[in-house]
Parts: sequence; structure tokens; C-alpha cells
Amino acid sequence: ETGVTQSPTHLIKTRGQQVTLRCSSQSGHNTVSWYQQALGQGPQFIFQYYREEENGRGNFPPRFSGLQFPNYSSELNVNALELDDSALYLCASSTEWAGKLFFGSGTQLSVL
Amino acid sequence: KNQVEQSPQSLIILEGKNCTLQCNYTVSPFSNLRWYKQDTGRGPVSLTIMTFSENTKSNGRYTATLDADTKQSSLHITASQLSDSASYICVVTPYSGGGADGLTFGKGTHLIIQP
Repeated sequence: ETGVTQSPTHLIKTRGQQVTLRCSSQSGHNTVSWYQQALGQGPQFIFQYYREEENGRGNFPPRFSGLQFPNYSSELNVNALELDDSALYLCASSTEWAGKLFFGSGTQLSVL
Repeated sequence: KNQVEQSPQSLIILEGKNCTLQCNYTVSPFSNLRWYKQDTGRGPVSLTIMTFSENTKSNGRYTATLDADTKQSSLHITASQLSDSASYICVVTPYSGGGADGLTFGKGTHLIIQP
């Protein structure tokens, strides 16, 4: 166990809906990053938060947004869901920007 | 463009046998290379992290090697067990001092251990 927890574990939504995924970082970690992983692919970086500020973003549209809270937990919000958003969404926490990453078990999102 | 290529894409071996997974990268300059194990439907778990100055690092039955000159790394698994069945992902960090947005992930090698 990495100490990083994600909720929910599975989620089914329909196209056009909005979704919020949650991540609780490992104790003492102030950095969290989010990834999208399609089946059979490696994780794709979405964005990273360091001390409540977004400080890095991958090639994802603005409908992917996030928050990091004072306790360093985090949310990923996706608006106007599309079928291609179906994937495993992973969050990872670390003690520094590109330090050793501790991943959660992920949220499996299915968009119908 | 920074890229990480892994081979083979998938591999099936018998329990108890050894195997070697390959990772070639084009990331330059380079800071460190990581190998992760990912069970199906779960998050990746770190196996090894090697800086550019390290040639080999072991974690139990897992041994990673790195050749920074040829930009190649391998992950060797000794005496495989059924629990080794998973995807193994190679991740490279550029020497940018930046964050996770600099990490380049490979697509992984899907390893199946048969009894």
C-alpha cells in the first residue's frame, strides 16, 4: 500500500456529464499529479499541483481542471464528458516536484 | 520529442524462468530512469530509480541496468513467480529540474507468468 487513496474506484457516466474524482495524498507529501491511462497505454500526464498551485499541465483541454486543498488532498474535475475520456485516472503524490511518485489505485471511468 | 520505447509489448514465460524487459529512450539531457510494476486495474508501484551515474540497481528478484551512452535500460526478473504477472513501465525524467510534466512514460511491457 502506498498511502494514496482515490475515490471512487469505479464510475459510469454518460456523455456530456461532469465528474469529480478525489485523491488523498500520502502523509507529508505536498505535491500531487494526475494521469489518464487508456487501456494498454502508459499514463499520460494531466497536471500537477504543488502547495495548492497548479505548476505543470499536459496536453489536455481546459475542461480538465483540478484543485489541491490545504491538507494536500486533491480533486480532478472533467466537464462535458466525451467517450474518449473513458480511462483509468491515477493520482500520485510526492515530496517534491519530480520525486519518487506514490500512485493510488486509480478510478476507472467509463463514459457511455 | 522525448520518447520512451519498451519491448517486447507482451511476454509470456513459465513460472521459475528468468526474463529481461527493454527500455530505449531519447530523453536528453537525462536525470533518472524509473521502473514501475502495475497490476491490472491498479496504480503503478515503484521498483527502482536510477540516476544517470548508476549502472545497476536491484530490488529483490528485480535488477535494473542502465547504459546512459546508448540510452538503454533493462529490467531483469529472476526466478519468476505468478505474482510477477503485470505491466512493467519505464519512466524517464529529463534534467530540467521541473515537475511531473517532464516525466516521459513508456507504454509498458505486459508480462504473463504461466504455471
